[in-house]
Amino acid sequence: GENVEQHPSTLSVQEGDSAVIKCTYSDSASNYFPWYKQELGKRPQLIIDIRSNVGEKKDQRIAVTLNKTAKHFSLHITETQPEDSAVYFCAATGDYKLSFGAGTTVTVRA
Amino acid sequence: EAQVTQNPRYLITVTGKKLTVTCSQNMNHEYMSWYRQDPGLGLRQIYYSMNVEVTDKGDVPEGYKVSRKEKRNFPLILESPSPNQTSLYFCASSLQTNHEQYFGPGTRLTVT
Repeated sequence: GENVEQHPSTLSVQEGDSAVIKCTYSDSASNYFPWYKQELGKRPQLIIDIRSNVGEKKDQRIAVTLNKTAKHFSLHITETQPEDSAVYFCAATGDYKLSFGAGTTVTVRA
Repeated sequence: EAQVTQNPRYLITVTGKKLTVTCSQNMNHEYMSWYRQDPGLGLRQIYYSMNVEVTDKGDVPEGYKVSRKEKRNFPLILESPSPNQTSLYFCASSLQTNHEQYFGPGTRLTVT
């Protein structure tokens, strides 16, 4: 089955700086890689996703890159703001199961 | 309003007392799944269903059962709960596996 590893587990950044979270996956058949954001006490919500036929995708201040050869993908948040403070989860799927990373707690310092 | 609902939101129970957590979606999604969230472990998939009457095990199915008799409902059953099943549970639905998952509000379960 798929195994997704996520680093770092915690990340503290100064407001305005960039944040990068990295994930690796084990199953080369995986073809869909979503990122979810979970604010304290709330449910996870999709913020961006990428499919295996695309190398990079951007949506305003967030971007995701995918390296299929190395089997890793990353989330980039630029110009971080206090509302970016949350737990971020990466995930991967190639069949019917969805495997999540353990999560990264991002804290944006004012 | 398109949504996934779960009930109850909070539940405290005792070891061995059977319980059911309900999940319902109104988006006509084919794919539904259950996750448990524990500190440091992220979201782990318990069971998933690709369509009515089609269910399969996720990564941590032991101690849980599910059924999918109707497209909109996907209840999670704990026949004999144990303290290690104390966790935050999320139901989710999507068009297919490789599409956005819409999560329910979560059910916090405590088994004493």
